[in-house]
Amino acid sequence: QVQLVQSGTEVKKPGASVKVSCKASGYIFTDYYIHWVRQAPGQGLEWMGWINTNTGGTNYARKFQGWVTMTRDTSLTTAYMELTSLKSDHTAVYYCARGEIPADYFDSWGQGTLVAVSS
Amino acid sequence: DIQMTQSPSSLSASIGDSVTISCRASQSIGFHLSWYQQRLGEAPKLLIYAASTLQSGVPSRFSGSGSGTDFTLTISSLQPEDFATYYCQQSDNTPLTFGGGTKLEIK
Repeated sequence: QVQLVQSGTEVKKPGASVKVSCKASGYIFTDYYIHWVRQAPGQGLEWMGWINTNTGGTNYARKFQGWVTMTRDTSLTTAYMELTSLKSDHTAVYYCARGEIPADYFDSWGQGTLVAVSS
Repeated sequence: DIQMTQSPSSLSASIGDSVTISCRASQSIGFHLSWYQQRLGEAPKLLIYAASTLQSGVPSRFSGSGSGTDFTLTISSLQPEDFATYYCQQSDNTPLTFGGGTKLEIK
């Protein structure tokens, strides 16, 4: 069955960077995009961007450009999201999700990774 | 950016009731609308895509309708496991955007 398994909780200090992984299994990795979605504590869902797992091309939401980098390793069927220059208001659960092409809805989600930023 | 507005933001209902959640887009998005359910502490789960297509494995008491700017999610005969937060999401254009969510609580 389709599974997306994310790396564990991260606790970081302001100004640090973090890299979250999303290991895919149960399907052909390069047939679907991987999207990343943020959920701040007690808040709703916010789309961050996607990576084309075939070409490595990316599309970031404007507010995440410059401090978020999405990459993938097709040999490991794993997608990554790196966040840099972390601030306390970046504290959130970050989800990866499989995206149907070209319909852009999310039919399978990772379990989420909490990134906590605190001095 | 396309703004998605859900209403109500919360509602209370009883087991066996039928409820309807609305989602309005700030511009026409055709049928490019999906619905998700998120239980407390869990990842979201896809319920409906293309405005009215039920995702495989989702109970038939969930249904979606609408096109253009106005959409609805209906849950008939509420079950205990349906009490959760529901989000709509447009995929007509990037940035993909979600509604603010509707929290469904037990009365």
